[in-house]
Amino acid sequence: KAGVTQTPRYLIKTRGQQVTLSCSPISGHRSVSWYQQTPGQGLQFLFEYFSETQRNKGNFPGRFSGRQFSNSRSEMNVSTLELGDSALYLCASSFSGLDTQYFGPGTRLTVL
Amino acid sequence: GEDVEQSLFLSVREGDSSVINCTYTDSSSTYLYWYKQEPGAGLQLLTYIFSNMDMKQDQRLTVLLNKKDKHLSLRIADTQTGDSAIYFCAESKADSSYKLIFGSGTRLLVRP
Repeated sequence: KAGVTQTPRYLIKTRGQQVTLSCSPISGHRSVSWYQQTPGQGLQFLFEYFSETQRNKGNFPGRFSGRQFSNSRSEMNVSTLELGDSALYLCASSFSGLDTQYFGPGTRLTVL
Repeated sequence: GEDVEQSLFLSVREGDSSVINCTYTDSSSTYLYWYKQEPGAGLQLLTYIFSNMDMKQDQRLTVLLNKKDKHLSLRIADTQTGDSAIYFCAESKADSSYKLIFGSGTRLLVRP
C-alpha cells in the first residue's frame, strides 16, 4: 500500500508570494491533518479535514488555509508569505482522525 | 497546558539499550505515539500504545506507560547506529480535536 505522498518536496518562494502544497493520503484514509515544523516552535497543528470538512484549526493566521477534495486529497495554501513561514510542512492521514496517523515526507518551504 | 515534555539529547554506545522518556499532559489521552525523524525526512511511526495499556513490545521496541504519573517511555534494545535520529512522543487528545500534541523531540546519538 502506498504511503502518504506530498508534492512538491522542496519550494523556494519570496516574501509576499503565495504557495500551494499538496497531500495525497493513504488509500482509504479520509482524514488529513497538516503540521508545521520549525526549529523554534517544533511541530504545530495547522488544521484537519475529513470528508471535505475542516473539523479543527490550529492557532495560525488566516493566511494559512486548506481544503480537501472528494478523493480525500488535500491542499494547503499560504498567502502573502513571510520569512517566518519557512518550515517543513507535514501532512498526516488516518481513517477517522482519531486513529493511528501516518505522515508523509513533508514539503520544505524556504521563503527568501 | 498542552506541553508534552522530553529530554533533548541522549547518547548511547552501539549495542546498549536506549531509554527515551516523555511526560504528557492529558490523562484522558487515547493514543500515545512514538515517531522517528531522520535528517531531511518526515515522521516515521515507530509504535503506539492505547491509554488503557501499560506496556507494548514490538521487536526491539518496548513502550511503558505510567498513567498515574503521565509518563511514557520508549526502550530500544541493542541500539544500532541506524537508530540515530530524533524521536518524538505525541499524544492524541480525547476531546476529538483531531490533533496530535508533540514533544520537542529527543535527539539520539548512537556511538560506534
